[in-house]
Amino acid sequence: ELKVEQNPLFLSMQEGKNYTIYCNYSTTSDRLYWYRQDPGKSLESLFVLLSNGAVKQEGRLMASLDTKARLSTLHITAAVHDLSATYFCAVDISHDMRFGAGTRLTVKP
Amino acid sequence: DAGITQSPRYKITETGRQVTLMCHQTWSHSYMFWYRQDLGHGLRLIYYSAAADITDKGEVPDGYVVSRSKTENFPLTLESATRSQTSVYFCASSESSLSYEQYFGPGTRLTVT
Repeated sequence: ELKVEQNPLFLSMQEGKNYTIYCNYSTTSDRLYWYRQDPGKSLESLFVLLSNGAVKQEGRLMASLDTKARLSTLHITAAVHDLSATYFCAVDISHDMRFGAGTRLTVKP
Repeated sequence: DAGITQSPRYKITETGRQVTLMCHQTWSHSYMFWYRQDLGHGLRLIYYSAAADITDKGEVPDGYVVSRSKTENFPLTLESATRSQTSVYFCASSESSLSYEQYFGPGTRLTVT
């Protein structure tokens, strides 16, 4: 059974600091997604990673995928308050999408 | 407007009642999905559909029924609602393409009393 584990589940960081969120999954997949969710809102797609070694960057966020290790990371550089949200990774096996439990990120001034 | 919409946005119902949540998308995406979101569980897939008249179970299908007579609509029915089905329900859609990226609707908050 496909399982997706994120850590940490809660992350409080100061503005300007760097940190990494980890996403491990249990079954081979070449498609991994990162989503952002603000409180009371829907999910917003951040990154789609389709192959081993894929790296994508958007602003202060950078995502990477290592399919051999079954690991994806979401790296936050010089955090700002606007990045406060819950971040989910998700793994797709033939459209059967499994999500991690989410990482609730709080960026403090 | 184009996109994916859900109705109602909020619903309160009683245990044992039937309730249907609606999902409509204007992109003509082949795939549509229903998820529920509960604290501590992230999102869990209930059912998905690859095309009209084709549906498949996800991770937590028990207690739910879906149909897809038209490409743009994918209703989710709780035939006899239970308190454990109190949740936020999200509908999503995706093209049949390499990325399978899913686009989510605004969600329906369902409370079963």
